[in-house]
Amino acid sequence: GQNIDQPTEMTATEGAIVQINCTYQTSGFNGLFWYQQHAGEAPTFLSYNVLDGLEEKGRFSSFLSRSKGYSYLLLKELQMKDSASYLCAVMDSNYQLIWGAGTKLIIKP
Amino acid sequence: TAGITQAPTSQILAAGRRMTLRCTQDMRHNAMYWYRQDLGLGLRLIHYSNTAGTTGKGEVPDGYSVSRANTDDFPLTLASAVPSQTSVYFCASSDGTGNTGELFFGEGSRLTVL
Repeated sequence: GQNIDQPTEMTATEGAIVQINCTYQTSGFNGLFWYQQHAGEAPTFLSYNVLDGLEEKGRFSSFLSRSKGYSYLLLKELQMKDSASYLCAVMDSNYQLIWGAGTKLIIKP
Repeated sequence: TAGITQAPTSQILAAGRRMTLRCTQDMRHNAMYWYRQDLGLGLRLIHYSNTAGTTGKGEVPDGYSVSRANTDDFPLTLASAVPSQTSVYFCASSDGTGNTGELFFGEGSRLTVL
């Protein structure tokens, strides 16, 4: 079967750095997405990786290793507004998105 | 910019009743999707439409139907609601099929079936 694994919950301190990991096993691979979802709101797109390596976008970076079936989302200079769930999703060989259950990130002052 | 609009925002429904969740987008996107989101689970695809006039089944289609009469609208119907359909439903769109484009989500419809 196909599955996406990511930690259920993480806690970090305002101003610090946090890394949210995602491992996947899917039928084929056509890219990996990270979305942010604040409580009670819709998911919003953060990043897309299809090649190995690091993609940086401001305070957020996303890394991919296709050989290891592994990605992480790195958040720097954490702010209280970064408290949210972070969803990892992989596009399989049929271009269908397989979603992880999400990681709830709690930021403490 | 409206983007994707869903209605209703929330609804309490008696089991056995028929319910249609509405979804409208103004981005002229070809592809539209309906997902359900349940605690502890990833988003699960119910139905999708790659372009107006076509629809397809996702991971959990049973008990749901959709139509795509035009580009903008993609309603989801529960013919006879059951308690296991209690969930938050998200409509989403993207600008193509088999592409690497991001999904744009509506604000969600919270449905409770009693």
